[in-house]
Amino acid sequence: DAKTTQPNSMESNEEEPVHLPCNHSTISGTDYIHWYRQLPSQGPEYVIHGLTSNVNNRMASLAIAEDRKSSTLILHRATLRDAAVYYCILRDVQNTDKLIFGTGTRLQVFP
Amino acid sequence: DTAVSQTPKYLVTQMGNDKSIKCEQNLGHDTMYWYKQDSKKFLKIMFSYNNKELIINETVPNRFSPKSPDKAHLNLHINSLELGDSAVYFCASSQHGQRSSGANVLTFGAGSRLTVL
Repeated sequence: DAKTTQPNSMESNEEEPVHLPCNHSTISGTDYIHWYRQLPSQGPEYVIHGLTSNVNNRMASLAIAEDRKSSTLILHRATLRDAAVYYCILRDVQNTDKLIFGTGTRLQVFP
Repeated sequence: DTAVSQTPKYLVTQMGNDKSIKCEQNLGHDTMYWYKQDSKKFLKIMFSYNNKELIINETVPNRFSPKSPDKAHLNLHINSLELGDSAVYFCASSQHGQRSSGANVLTFGAGSRLTVL
């Protein structure tokens, strides 16, 4: 399974933009890039996904490098509620179509 | 209404006992999953079922037996509980199953914290 690499932790101040990086140098042509987050004491929550083009939704934006070997999740204005562990995951649909979680990035947001 | 609901939320039991965790989804999804999150917060898939058929079994001990009476339910039964089974167990569901579109999104329940003494 293709793996992702993320920083262990990041910090941000409230109402500032946050850029969460993810490296996936072994990504295959059919792998989708998914982002989930897990708030304290809750289950993981879907954030956004993409294949080749940048994507926007109400929660965040996803910027995908042209060679697809890295991506960045962008929270435009961080709130205290955004403090969570963010997981960057490659969706391996050619094989077993399962989500494999890594260690993620713990985001702290300060008021 | 909660989309993916698990019961119980907390479960404390003795080693050697048998226990079950129930999961129900009201999203009309075809596929359901069980994930385990250990004390180091590492999330690992255990099983997935698509329309009541077992699709993924990630080398989980035979003491763990998932049961899917219908596609809206996936229960997890654990025999002869061990200390190492202590973890948070998450149920999830998705619209499509194996070899589906890469856009397939999972919806998770709130988790069931199992403590084995």
